[in-house]
Amino acid sequence: DTGVSQDPRHKITKRGQNVTFRCDPISEHNRLYWYRQTLGQGPEFLTYFQNEAQLEKSRLLSDRFSAERPKGSFSTLEIQRTEQGDSAMYLCASAKLSDNNNEQFFGPGTRLTVL
Amino acid sequence: AQSVTQLDSHVSVSEGTPVLLRCNYSSSYSPSLFWYVQHPNKGLQLLLKYTSAATLVKGINGFEAEFKKSETSFHLTKPSAHMSDAAEYFCVVTSNYGGATNKLIFGTGTLLAVQP
Repeated sequence: DTGVSQDPRHKITKRGQNVTFRCDPISEHNRLYWYRQTLGQGPEFLTYFQNEAQLEKSRLLSDRFSAERPKGSFSTLEIQRTEQGDSAMYLCASAKLSDNNNEQFFGPGTRLTVL
Repeated sequence: AQSVTQLDSHVSVSEGTPVLLRCNYSSSYSPSLFWYVQHPNKGLQLLLKYTSAATLVKGINGFEAEFKKSETSFHLTKPSAHMSDAAEYFCVVTSNYGGATNKLIFGTGTLLAVQP
């Protein structure tokens, strides 16, 4: 399968613990996005990478959140000291820089539950 | 600033009848508009996209949408609903403005139910 993959698909953690999610984009895609979707809402933008550079971060991304894309390929999203309000689906999407149609391809998401 | 408003949170239709999911947008720049579908426990799938070419856009599974600048609308339609169309649908806007990150701005979603 050459689509966007995310790992793990589900994560249950206790409040205060740290969690890390991974996203593997489509191989030739140099744009990578993270979104968060809470129950009953549409996804909301968190952050954006062009190759290894993190070019934009949403105000939703508190200082407990950090994202990396060290080699311009896969990306990780870490949440430190998780809170119950962090429970959500975390979605990753990738796109081609040269694609003027702005089409983003989404992974299946990581569902986080904070107890 | 960009935003989309999905006018109905739930729509219920009978199988074989037309589907209309309504979306209005707001954008300071020339927008790109999309409809995505999300089936339970599955990822978001692109249905169709408008990127300043033809105003009537055809997508997958018989869906289409018409970009109406005068009404700032981008409603999604299908002539005949199928049971497999039951899912959540998101209207999405992004900007064609040069240098933008092209982050997607999602509406709150419309849950489509299809009755037998």
